[in-house]
Amino acid sequence: DVKVTQSSRYLVKRTGEKVFLECVQDMDHENMFWYRQDPGLGLRLIYFSYDVKMKEKGDIPEGYSVSREKKERFSLILESASTNQTSMYLCASTRSGGGRNTIYFGEGSWLTVV
Amino acid sequence: QKEVEQDPGPLSVPEGAIVSLNCTYSNSAFQYFMWYRQYSRKGPELLMYTYSSGNKEDGRFTAQVDKSSKYISLFIRDSQPSDSATYLCAPSLRDNYGQNFVFGPGTRLSVLP
Repeated sequence: DVKVTQSSRYLVKRTGEKVFLECVQDMDHENMFWYRQDPGLGLRLIYFSYDVKMKEKGDIPEGYSVSREKKERFSLILESASTNQTSMYLCASTRSGGGRNTIYFGEGSWLTVV
Repeated sequence: QKEVEQDPGPLSVPEGAIVSLNCTYSNSAFQYFMWYRQYSRKGPELLMYTYSSGNKEDGRFTAQVDKSSKYISLFIRDSQPSDSATYLCAPSLRDNYGQNFVFGPGTRLSVLP
């Protein structure tokens, strides 16, 4: 069974703290994504990576950075957390190439910044 | 205009009702059309996958795509309380990295016993 695992489900952090959200996939997918999901705004793409050490900005990259040192692992970093980054964060992965591709999501990480 | 639009709901129906969920999009280049179901405090999971225009049926679920009017529908027959979730439509197109997915904001469905 395919799996995208987000290690932290619920976090509470203080304003200004550095926050790491980790994601691991076991499907040998080339592409990995970080989204945030807010009521009324839907899924918004923060960053994606199409290969190890490669990254591309999504729609809302400000205040975030990412790291992909290994193919299976994609980390989202909040350098200095702020209250407006309180949200649900979803990691996802998909393979590249032709044919039918499906995007697979993790269970989500709920971050509260106080 | 947003690239993908859905009525956010909430949509409340009695158990056993036929549910119609709809989605419109603006980019005529979309080729693949997916519906994802998301339970509360969980990640989205794939429900239906359709390529190009036409219908696809899977049990109580039918996905319908009309590319000429850029309209996507999901029908649920004999709805159950376990169908209570948010439904996201997700058209996509091929790009240099594989496939570019665009998600609608989702429609929240509540099926009342």
